[in-house]
Amino acid sequence: EVQLVESGGGLVQPGGSLRLSCEASGFTFSSYWMSWVRQAPGKGLEWVANIKQDGSETYYVDSVKGRFTISRDNAKNLVHLQMNTLRDEDTAVYYCASRPMVYAHAPFWGQGTLVTVSS
Amino acid sequence: SYVLTQPPSVSMAPGKTARITCGGNNIGGESVHWYQQKPGQAPVVVIYSDSDRPSGIPERFSGSKSGNTATLTISRVEAGDEADYYCQVWHSSSDCVVFGGGTKLTVL
Repeated sequence: EVQLVESGGGLVQPGGSLRLSCEASGFTFSSYWMSWVRQAPGKGLEWVANIKQDGSETYYVDSVKGRFTISRDNAKNLVHLQMNTLRDEDTAVYYCASRPMVYAHAPFWGQGTLVTVSS
Repeated sequence: SYVLTQPPSVSMAPGKTARITCGGNNIGGESVHWYQQKPGQAPVVVIYSDSDRPSGIPERFSGSKSGNTATLTISRVEAGDEADYYCQVWHSSSDCVVFGGGTKLTVL
């Protein structure tokens, strides 16, 4: 059974940092692009970042460039999202998702972890 | 930045056909995927690569594309289809995954 399990969410003050993790199982992790997608309360889906199978390519939405870093550890089937200089507008449920190719759909999703940025 | 435009809401009676559109400049050159999201749940893909249906998704769900518009069609709508639906592409010119704003399907 395919599973993606996110962790690391919580309450953080504006300007603070948080590191999200996503542990994958049930599929060949090293063969998939990994993504982070977020959803602010009551809002739609917003893609945040992608990382290639071997970690050699990463892409980000403009609003997080320079603040967020996506990384992966294929030996441990983990993908991370390091979030720095957090803003109120980063408050959202963060999902990790996997896709076989960068232009493909994402067949596997986690259940999400809530990040709340507030003073 | 690339924008995908969806109607905020669509309402349909049970048994009828619902169509949800997704407009984007030159969307004909992009591979369009559709996700269904129910409250409190993660998204689930219902159509990928414009018109392919994953295993386990009812045949009532279909996808098409014409001109600058992609369409998700749900035939014989059921109460269980009530959800938010999002279109998505990979915009290669900007190296970005782009989601439409989402459409809330209400089954009357």
